[in-house]
Amino acid sequence: QVQLVESGGGVVQPGRSLRLSCAASGLTFSNYGMHWVRQAPGKGLEWVAVISYDGSYKYYTDSVKGRFTISRDNSKNTLYMQMNSLRVDDTAVYYCAKAQVVQMVRKGPDYWGQGTLVTVSS
Amino acid sequence: QSVLTQPPSVSGTPGQRVTISCSGSTSNIGSNTVNWYKQLPGTAPKLFIYSNDERPSGVPDHFSGSKSGTSASLAISGLQSEDEADYYCAAWDDSLNGYVFGTGTKVTVL
Repeated sequence: QVQLVESGGGVVQPGRSLRLSCAASGLTFSNYGMHWVRQAPGKGLEWVAVISYDGSYKYYTDSVKGRFTISRDNSKNTLYMQMNSLRVDDTAVYYCAKAQVVQMVRKGPDYWGQGTLVTVSS
Repeated sequence: QSVLTQPPSVSGTPGQRVTISCSGSTSNIGSNTVNWYKQLPGTAPKLFIYSNDERPSGVPDHFSGSKSGTSASLAISGLQSEDEADYYCAAWDDSLNGYVFGTGTKVTVL
């Protein structure tokens, strides 16, 4: 079965950087786009970014453009999110999620990881 | 700020039918299919309805989805205690070039 395991979260000061990873198993990782979605404490879901199955295109929500970079290594079945210039309002649980349809990201995600908490605080 | 609007909460007694609305625009719901996600406290969301009205295997058949124009709905008929959760609609937005979630609805079984 599909398994997605996020790691890399923690407590970081404003302005610093953090890299999240998402290890995938139980699927042909290189066939699927991948999303990052976050959820601030007590708040709703917010889509953050998506990367195509082959990494050829990436889209971001406006609030993270220029600060966050999504990437993937299909040889390692791993998704990444490099987060720079972190702000207090980036504090959230970050979920990686697999795109539902092969080679298409517009249909949204189906399987989700358990999430990793990022806390930005001085 | 979410571009898909849902009521903050709905409630009903066991066995009752409740519906959750999701209002969007021509660039999202009007142009793309809608998914619904269920989230229990402290856990990851789970895909509950995809492509407007399709249920993944394992999702009870008293859940149903529909879409008309720039709005979508999730109906729960025969409400059960285990249906208590937060529910989110979502769709791709062609103008934003991104995936957008609804504001979320908390379902309470009285």
